[in-house]
Amino acid sequence: GDSVTQMEGPVTLSEEAFLTINCTYTATGYPSLFWYVQYPGEGLQLLLKATKADDKGSNKGFEATYRKETTSFHLEKGSVQVSDSAVYFCALTDAGNMLTFGGGTRLMVKP
Amino acid sequence: DVKVTQSSRYLVKRTGEKVFLECVQDMDHENMFWYRQDPGLGLRLIYFSYDVKMKEKGDIPEGYSVSREKKERFSLILESASTNQTSMYLCASSSRRIQSNQPQHFGDGTRLSIL
Repeated sequence: GDSVTQMEGPVTLSEEAFLTINCTYTATGYPSLFWYVQYPGEGLQLLLKATKADDKGSNKGFEATYRKETTSFHLEKGSVQVSDSAVYFCALTDAGNMLTFGGGTRLMVKP
Repeated sequence: DVKVTQSSRYLVKRTGEKVFLECVQDMDHENMFWYRQDPGLGLRLIYFSYDVKMKEKGDIPEGYSVSREKKERFSLILESASTNQTSMYLCASSSRRIQSNQPQHFGDGTRLSIL
């Protein structure tokens, strides 16, 4: 079946540092890929998405590129802020309506 | 913007009680989902629904049931609450009319404690 693997956290960075959170997937079809963010005490918010190979999703300074050859969708941001501290989930949906989630990566940004 | 509203942010109930968690979405989405989120276990799908009066079991349906009498409302029911059902519950919805592989939109979650 489909699966998503993302790096375990927590990831601790200083403000303005460069962020990469790795995500790789396995899927039988042609999935759409997503990054969700969960701020403390809240639900999940869609951060960005990509629906086909080589698509780049971007939002709020975050970017991720759909790499079919490496089955990856790594999340990057050039300069993180304290307000980016949250849990980040990589996910895919394949040929339908079901989401497969990674385990989540907690990001902590220190001033 | 899609709005998914869960009726309570925090809820405290006692063992053996029947508990209702309500979720409403305002975007005429066909699909609705209930997840629970626990530390170290990520998000796990309890039940989902593709349409009114339709329901399908997810990965962990035991101890739960659902109701979808109207398109915009999806209720999760704990028939007889137990302490191992203490968790964060997340509702989500998505559309499948336009094209497949649409993202799910989540509510803010209900943190349920069973004493």
